[in-house]
Amino acid sequence: QVQLQESGPGLVKPSETLSLTCTVSRGSINSYYWTWIRQPPGKGLEWIGYISYSGTTKYDSSVESRVTVSVDTAKNQFSLQLSSVTAADTAVYYCARITGEFVYFYMDVWGKGTTVTVSS
Amino acid sequence: SYELTQPPSVSVSPGQTASITCSADKLGDKYVCWYQQKSGQSPVVVIFQDNKRPSGIPERFSGSNSGNTATLTISGTQAMDEGYYYCQAWDSSTGIGFGTGTRVTVL
Repeated sequence: QVQLQESGPGLVKPSETLSLTCTVSRGSINSYYWTWIRQPPGKGLEWIGYISYSGTTKYDSSVESRVTVSVDTAKNQFSLQLSSVTAADTAVYYCARITGEFVYFYMDVWGKGTTVTVSS
Repeated sequence: SYELTQPPSVSVSPGQTASITCSADKLGDKYVCWYQQKSGQSPVVVIFQDNKRPSGIPERFSGSNSGNTATLTISGTQAMDEGYYYCQAWDSSTGIGFGTGTRVTVL
C-alpha cells in the first residue's frame, strides 16, 4: 500500500516561506493527482491545492497568490511552498493522493500530517 | 473553495442511526465523498462518488445525494464511529471544497 510522509520545518517565522515535502513510497507518483490540505488547531479541513504528476496545478483562491505546489517525479516527491506566512497559517499540514476522475475526486491515501507553527 | 455546510454536531445512541447532512446549492449535480477523522489521526474516506464504500469500510456506512443536500448515514452506530465527519466535493471553478465538519457523539 502506498505511503505518504510529510517533512519540513515545524517552526516558521512570520513573513517567511513555509516549505514542505511529501515523499511517496511503495508506489509511483505517476498517473495520479496529489494534494496539500491543512487543519488549523481545533478547526476543519482546508484544501490548499493540487498537482498532477505532469505538473498541472490548481490552488484555492484564499492562498493562490502565496502558494506553489511542485512535483519531482524522479524523487517521487511533491512539495508545498507558502510565502509571507502569518499566525493564521499555523496548522497540521497533510499531503494526500487524489484518485478518481475530476468530477468525483477524493483522497484515498493521506500522510500522517506535520504540525507547522508560525511564530517569531 | 466550494463551500459546503454541515451541522456542528450529531448525537446518537449505540445501535441507532446517525444522519449527517451536507448542503450547498445544486450539490446533487456534483459527486460527494465523506471522511471520518478520529482524534489525532488523519482523515479516512468512508464514502466516495455519493454512495460507494471503499474496501474495508463497514456496510453500516451509506451515502446519498440529491437536490441541495448529501447525507451520510451510519446504521447501527457503534462507539468506534465517534469522531468528526467531513463531506467533500469538487467544483470545476473553485476546485476541492470541504464541509464545515460534524462531530458525532455516541452517547
